[in-house]
Amino acid sequence: DAKTTQPPSMDCAEGRAANLPCNHSTISGNEYVYWYRQIHSQGPQYIIHGLKNNETNEMASLIITEDRKSSTLILPHATLRDTAVYYCIVRIYTDKLIFGTGTRLQVFP
Amino acid sequence: KAGVTQTPRYLIKTRGQQVTLSCSPISGHRSVSWYQQTPGQGLQFLFEYFSETQRNKGNFPGRFSGRQFSNSRSEMNVSTLELGDSALYLCASSSEVTSGRLREQFFGPGTRLTVL
Repeated sequence: DAKTTQPPSMDCAEGRAANLPCNHSTISGNEYVYWYRQIHSQGPQYIIHGLKNNETNEMASLIITEDRKSSTLILPHATLRDTAVYYCIVRIYTDKLIFGTGTRLQVFP
Repeated sequence: KAGVTQTPRYLIKTRGQQVTLSCSPISGHRSVSWYQQTPGQGLQFLFEYFSETQRNKGNFPGRFSGRQFSNSRSEMNVSTLELGDSALYLCASSSEVTSGRLREQFFGPGTRLTVL
């Protein structure tokens, strides 16, 4: 599985958009980009995934660059409950998730 | 639908003992994966079971083992516990693939194991 690089931490004001970047420059054509988050000591929670098109669901939007070497997770209106560690993962057809160190997002009032 | 459940939630053992952790997947899910989370190593994949067969294995010593039953419930076992086995053990389940989409994994709350 391709390796991902994320900033270790980010801050965001409540109500503002949180944009979390991820680099996956060695991604191959059949690898998907997945995002999970983990709120303190709970199990990771699935957020969104995509292959090459931008995706949106009720939680977030995922923007993948045309060359697929990087992506951005967007939380449009961050709340205090969005404070968590966010993991960007690339995976192929397997349930084996390779977690990196993630980005610790702190949403402040 | 009930989520993934793990028992027990907390466990304290001493070095040299063995431990068995249990995971009940979401109803209808046939794939169960296990992960270990420690402050030093982060989240690491242990193994994955599908229809009672181990399909994927991470880079852990043979002291870590698992199995899956016909009802998809899974157990993992750690023998001869070491201090470094203290961790949050997470179980995740997923369903069959539909329409070629990769399936989401749903995680349980974890079992926090402390080895003294």
